[in-house]
Amino acid sequence: EDQVTQSPEALRLQEGESSSLNCSYTVSGLRGLFWYRQDPGKGPEFLFTLYSAGEEKEKERLKATLTKKESFLHITAPKPEDSATYLCAVHGSSNTGKLIFGQGTTLQVKP
Amino acid sequence: DAGVTQSPTHLIKTRGQQVTLRCSPKSGHDTVSWYQQALGQGPQFIFQYYEEEERQRGNFPDRFSGHQFPNYSSELNVNALLLGDSALYLCASSSWRGAKNIQYFGAGTRLSVL
Repeated sequence: EDQVTQSPEALRLQEGESSSLNCSYTVSGLRGLFWYRQDPGKGPEFLFTLYSAGEEKEKERLKATLTKKESFLHITAPKPEDSATYLCAVHGSSNTGKLIFGQGTTLQVKP
Repeated sequence: DAGVTQSPTHLIKTRGQQVTLRCSPKSGHDTVSWYQQALGQGPQFIFQYYEEEERQRGNFPDRFSGHQFPNYSSELNVNALLLGDSALYLCASSSWRGAKNIQYFGAGTRLSVL
């Protein structure tokens, strides 16, 4: 059964303190791994998609990487506006379009 | 370019009632997926519609049903509401033949069942 586990559940950083969020996955035939950002009371906002091990994507202070078993979301010199819940999801070959999400990592960046 | 729009934004119902939630996909998208998100959890897949047909279904009871219209908009219906159905309901749209199942989400409908 396809499964996604994110760690840590919550992370508190000081502004400028870099860190990484982890997404471990088990999937039969990875067709895509997705990172989303979700602010309280809002829908998830698409950030990145990765398709094969070794792939990397960057956007401002965020960088996503992918191996055969996990993905990392690296946050460099975060700012308070980066505070949000970050969700990881996978699309496996046994599904036509279903995304399987982890429970998310809630990031708080203090000034 | 309008993104995914959902209505209503909030809804309060009582146990046993029925509810209909609506979704308009992003311009150019033809596929709609519905997810349920409980507080503090990741979204759980309910079902996906393409060409007015249910293409895949998650582990939800038959009380959850849906429909897609010729203009690609969609409805989610929930019958015989239970307290446990209280959640944020998210609609996501994508292109069936587009960039590898990238799904864009609406702001959601917050359903409270009393």
